[in-house]
Amino acid sequence: NAGVTQTPKFQVLKTGQSMTLQCAQDMNHNSMYWYRQDPGMGLRLIYYSASEGTTDKGEVPNGYNVSRLNKREFSLRLESAAPSQTSVYFCASRGSGGISGNEQFFGPGTRLTVL
Amino acid sequence: GENVEQHPSTLSVQEGDSAVIKCTYSDSASNYFPWYKQELGERPQLIIDIRSNVGEKKDQRIAVTLNKTAKHFSLHITETQPEDSAVYFCAPKIGGYNKLIFGAGTRLAVHP
Repeated sequence: NAGVTQTPKFQVLKTGQSMTLQCAQDMNHNSMYWYRQDPGMGLRLIYYSASEGTTDKGEVPNGYNVSRLNKREFSLRLESAAPSQTSVYFCASRGSGGISGNEQFFGPGTRLTVL
Repeated sequence: GENVEQHPSTLSVQEGDSAVIKCTYSDSASNYFPWYKQELGERPQLIIDIRSNVGEKKDQRIAVTLNKTAKHFSLHITETQPEDSAVYFCAPKIGGYNKLIFGAGTRLAVHP
């Protein structure tokens, strides 16, 4: 199993450009998440999807949109990138039930710079 | 909103010493309390977690203790080793919701 994968690994954008970050998991998990991590800080939740067909806002949703394409895939879109969105973006997924049902598994991250 | 605080923000210990990191949360309905470790340039990974019906859990050199009344839980690392050097995050689950709130992190440095 590949676990959680993210593309691209690195991206540089100019202010105002748009892009979509892709995330996929092969663990048959119901829940998926998008976080951002700024230097020296913790992870802040942008959006999450508790199950296929549902999405909810997290702590910092402004400037982002998400799509839960199917059970495997959860994408994050920046419609008009701003320098304040320079960050490392992590996708995560979580199963349900059992002893480890609450564990979130993280992808390798996308390092985004907005000039 | 929910508030999560970690202390200390940085911790420096000698190899072999113990390290303790404390996490305070505000949501009395929280029922799941994990600790994640993030090495430089890597993704966060779960190292230990505890549910609200348990007061302590151990896994070799690491342990987590929970005080639900006081709304805090702590990570204990004994016999620290240089490879324990990393940033550690607490991330209590928000009661009734399918999400975690991460603390700001504690940077642990273990010196040989």
